[in-house]
Amino acid sequence: EIVLTQSPATLSLSPGERATLSCRASQSVNTYLAWYQQKPGQAPRLLLYDASYRATGIPARFSGSGSGTDFTLTISSLEPEDFAVYYCQQRNTWPRTFGQGTKVEIK
Amino acid sequence: QVQLVQSGAEVKKPGASVKVSCRLSGYTLTELSMHWVRQAPGKGLEWVGGIDPEDGETIYAQKFQGRVTMTEDTSTDTAYLELSSLRSEDTAVYYCSVLMHSAGWYKHWGQGTLVTVSS
Repeated sequence: EIVLTQSPATLSLSPGERATLSCRASQSVNTYLAWYQQKPGQAPRLLLYDASYRATGIPARFSGSGSGTDFTLTISSLEPEDFAVYYCQQRNTWPRTFGQGTKVEIK
Repeated sequence: QVQLVQSGAEVKKPGASVKVSCRLSGYTLTELSMHWVRQAPGKGLEWVGGIDPEDGETIYAQKFQGRVTMTEDTSTDTAYLELSSLRSEDTAVYYCSVLMHSAGWYKHWGQGTLVTVSS
C-alpha cells in the first residue's frame, strides 16, 4: 500500500502567517491526491483534490501543488478558523490511504 | 444534495460484533459508492473499505480482512458496516462517505458513529 508521510507533525503559527504543509508518497500517486481539514468533533472537510483544485466553497487562500510523490498545501494567510488538523489522501491505488496529519496550532 | 445520517453510539465487549448504519438521501446507493473511514481517539484517519466505482467490487483494507463486512439495502438506501471479533483497538469513530464517481473524492461525510470496545 502507498504510505503518505506528512510533515511537520505540528505547525505553530500566528494568524496572518503563511502555512506550508508537506505530504510525501512512498510511490507515485500522479496528481491523485486530496487535502482535508478536520476540526475537533467534526467530520473531515474536503479542501483540495487532484493536487491543486479547490473544492466548492473553499477560500482562495488554500492552494495545493505537486505531482508524483511530493505535494504541498499552502495557506497564504492564516485565519482563526484555519487552525485545525490537515490530512492528505491518495486515490491512485487501492487501498485508499491517508497521511497521519499535520496539526496547525496557534502560536 | 447528498446527506448521510449514521446510527448512534455503540458500546461493545471484546469479541463481540457491531453493525453501524449509514442512511443516504439526495441520491440512491446505486448511483454512488459507499466507503468507510475510522478514527481512533486522538489519532488520524484510517480507510476501512469501500466499493470500487469502476466495477462495483467491495474492497477492504488488508488489516480488516476477515473481520469486516460492508452491505447495502438499496430499498432504503442504507449501508452497513459490520466489524466482528472486536478488540479495544477498534474503539473509534466510524464515518461513512460516498464517492460520486470513479474520479471522486470524499466530499460528503456522515456525522460519525462512536464505537467503544470495553470489558
